[in-house]
Amino acid sequence: NAGVTQTPKFRILKIGQSMTLQCTQDMNHNYMYWYRQDPGMGLKLIYYSVGAGITDKGEVPNGYNVSRSTTEDFPLRLELAAPSQTSVYFCASSPEGGNTIYFGEGSWLTVV
Amino acid sequence: AQSVTQPDIHITVSEGASLELRCNYSYGATPYLFWYVQSPGQGLQLLLKYFSGDTLVQGIKGFEAEFKRSQSSFNLRKPSVHWSDAAEYFCAAAGSYQLTFGKGTKLSVIP
Repeated sequence: NAGVTQTPKFRILKIGQSMTLQCTQDMNHNYMYWYRQDPGMGLKLIYYSVGAGITDKGEVPNGYNVSRSTTEDFPLRLELAAPSQTSVYFCASSPEGGNTIYFGEGSWLTVV
Repeated sequence: AQSVTQPDIHITVSEGASLELRCNYSYGATPYLFWYVQSPGQGLQLLLKYFSGDTLVQGIKGFEAEFKRSQSSFNLRKPSVHWSDAAEYFCAAAGSYQLTFGKGTKLSVIP
């Protein structure tokens, strides 16, 4: 049972570099999300999507971009990485808004 | 603004003791409510959820939670804690399209 799959699991970036965190789900869910988790801060929503071709900003979108060309994939792009983007990133999906959200296993990103 | 508050940052209990983790929410209407658990280095696993109906909800691993509308609370309970329950617990509330998370409560278990 694949569920929500994120890659890479670990990555170290230098300041100013760019990268893409990949996320794919095989549950045919319409809604997909990207959260970041920082110690003692819980999870904060970066971007979300309610279906292919539709994305919107969450609470902390600055420095990130997303796209949703297919139902399955929801990549998160970091442009010009900054130390403040050091965090754990979780991709998630749900069949509809307000429903149970299923999480990937996380991607640990360090910007040095 | 929608918010979820977990007043306790860190709780320590002895193995076999009972547990209650507190959660309060602030929403315009009664939201859907969830408890997730996260073990170190892992993703989030759903323990239980409340959508409507019976206010006492049973979940996995022997956990239960009680929704109290008058107190805007959704506290998580377990009658007897096991060492393997040591983890971080997150309460969350769902609006129309997303979950709002509390900051989490870290549970330590003393053997």
